[in-house]
Amino acid sequence: DTAVSQTPKYLVTQMGNDKSIKCEQNLGHDTMYWYKQDSKKFLKIMFSYNNKELIINETVPNRFSPKSPDKAHLNLHINSLELGDSAVYFCASSAVGTGGAGGSYEQYFGPGTRLTVT
Amino acid sequence: LAKTTQPISMDSYEGQEVNITCSHNNIATNDYITWYQQFPSQGPRFIIQGYKTKVTNEVASLFIPADRKSSTLSLPRVSLSDTAVYYCLVGDNTGGFKTIFGAGTRLFVKA
Repeated sequence: DTAVSQTPKYLVTQMGNDKSIKCEQNLGHDTMYWYKQDSKKFLKIMFSYNNKELIINETVPNRFSPKSPDKAHLNLHINSLELGDSAVYFCASSAVGTGGAGGSYEQYFGPGTRLTVT
Repeated sequence: LAKTTQPISMDSYEGQEVNITCSHNNIATNDYITWYQQFPSQGPRFIIQGYKTKVTNEVASLFIPADRKSSTLSLPRVSLSDTAVYYCLVGDNTGGFKTIFGAGTRLFVKA
């Protein structure tokens, strides 16, 4: 079974359109994330959700909105797509850490969604 | 947030041991050091994590000196399939991991 899955894998759309990317994890993790990887391969965290609450919200345009219907899903909605939104978007999940020594906090990443805006 | 500095790229040959060093001079007391591996067209994959001294798993070893201002990922006897980008991250783990990936180190393993 795939731990973290994303759909679609490829998404080609025109400027101005609205699109969504879905993410599901079956690991029972408490926290889910969205990352953007640009053409230079830099990975930048966009959002994370912990038990349906947004706990990290990086300075991304408000055209991007994460929506989590339940702990296993974190979907990414993008309004009014722009050329600069073209990138690979990764979803990830992790167990919430407790700080201090011990514990495992690794993030499990999905396969990515390659978004191309024309 | 602690920033990390890694070599941009490294070359190696099959069967060699590869050591990738990461500098994180501003690491905080509660920060852990984590390494990820990313193959082309795939998401990053967790390799190893540590807080201090040495950590070893079936894939790699992580060496962390006492001052924790750097760390070294050691890959024993690399193969062609180890060609990937390796990311070093530092951060705490409370309430979700505020993760900043650097540019990573592109490792090329040659036959």
